[in-house]
Order: sequence, then structure tokens, then C-alpha cells
Amino acid sequence: AQKITQTQPGMFVQEKEAVTLDCTYDTSDPSYGLFWYKQPSSGEMIFLIYQGSYDQQNATEGRYSLNFQKARKSANLVISASQLGDSAMYFCAMKSNFGNEKLTFGTGTRLTIIP
Amino acid sequence: GAVVSQHPSWVICKSGTSVKIECRSLDFQATTMFWYRQFPKQSLMLMATSNEGSKATYEQGVEKDKFLINHASLTLSTLTVTSAHPEDSSFYICSARDLAGTTRGAFTEAFFGQGTRLTVV
Repeated sequence: AQKITQTQPGMFVQEKEAVTLDCTYDTSDPSYGLFWYKQPSSGEMIFLIYQGSYDQQNATEGRYSLNFQKARKSANLVISASQLGDSAMYFCAMKSNFGNEKLTFGTGTRLTIIP
Repeated sequence: GAVVSQHPSWVICKSGTSVKIECRSLDFQATTMFWYRQFPKQSLMLMATSNEGSKATYEQGVEKDKFLINHASLTLSTLTVTSAHPEDSSFYICSARDLAGTTRGAFTEAFFGQGTRLTVV
């Protein structure tokens, strides 16, 4: 069974500062993928970044980077130079490379950017 | 990226009626679509996996007769909430994989619809 843990229910960050959203996971599968999604108040799920379990380098997508520490089973999302539009719910998710393709989500972190 | 369109975006219905939610992949073919449910301030919980041309696979605890899923074509899956009750009020969201599109390592990216907010009164 897979499990995603996000321990920060809410965070407040000053605009233009960097922010780290925590995510730890548990799985017995040797090959898996880790995802971060942003969910604004309108509800849609916006894909942000992906990290494969065998990827040697940490993933980066613009202002988003993923701090992947495989031994610690953590996949923290780092947002640099935060903007007001970054205020939203953020979900960490994982998918095994074996079996079906379903995503397992964490409970999410509500990020609020303060002007 | 690929586009998944979900309709309606919100619906209010009377208790006891049925509601159909559509999930369409607009510019790609999706052999597999997923239906999630999200209660307020909670995470997304997978309800079922919809497979084109075959029966859906439901997660444990999800009533098959309550939540009917049909995946008749490679671009359309529907979720019908039958005999809806107030406890079925929730946010329902679908996702689909573009098997011929962006791949990231061993995985193919999944795209989400806009979601449907169902309120049963």
C-alpha cells in the first residue's frame, strides 16, 4: 500500500520569499513517480512537477523544484520567489510503476501568500 | 498540454434524482479515465477507474450501483450519481492519461478536468 503524508495543513509566506512544502511517502514498490498538483479555489487540479524514483537529478519546472531525498522518502516542493497567485491548495501524490495507474494523494497544504 | 473537459462545472439537484457528469478528452484518446471525489477541505479520493469498452474498477467502499460509470468511447467517460442524497454532495473530478502524449520516465502525465460541484438538496 502507498501512503503520502503532508504535515503542514496551512502555511503563510511573504510575497517574493521562497517556500518549502513538505511531503513524505511510503511504498514498497521499487519504481514509482511523485507528483505535485496545485488546486486553486476554482477546483481544477494543475500539474506542477514530476519526479521519477530513478531520476538522478531533482526535477525543476520554472519556479518549482522538487527536493527529492529517496533514502528519507521525502519529496518536498520548493517554490521560489512566491507570488500572490501561488495562494492555493497543494497536493503531493504518488503512483507506482506496477499495477494500475491510480494516484494516491496526500491531505494537502493550503498556502497563503501575504502581500 | 492535453485538455480534459468536465461538464457540468456545478449542479444542484433534488434528493432522489440522478445526475450525470461527463468527462471528455478533447485532443487525445484516453483508454483509461479516473474518477475522484473530494469533500470540503479534504484530499482527493479515487472512486473508480474507467476503462474504455469494459467495466469500471471500483475502489473498496464505493457503491457500484450508486455511482454508475460508462466509458463508451476513447474520449468520453460518464459518472452517474443515481438516486442522489445530500450526503452525495461533493466535488467530483476526473482525470485521463494521454498515452501518446507527454511521457515522464516510465509514466504518462495525467490531466484533470475542471471538476463538478454537486449539491443535493
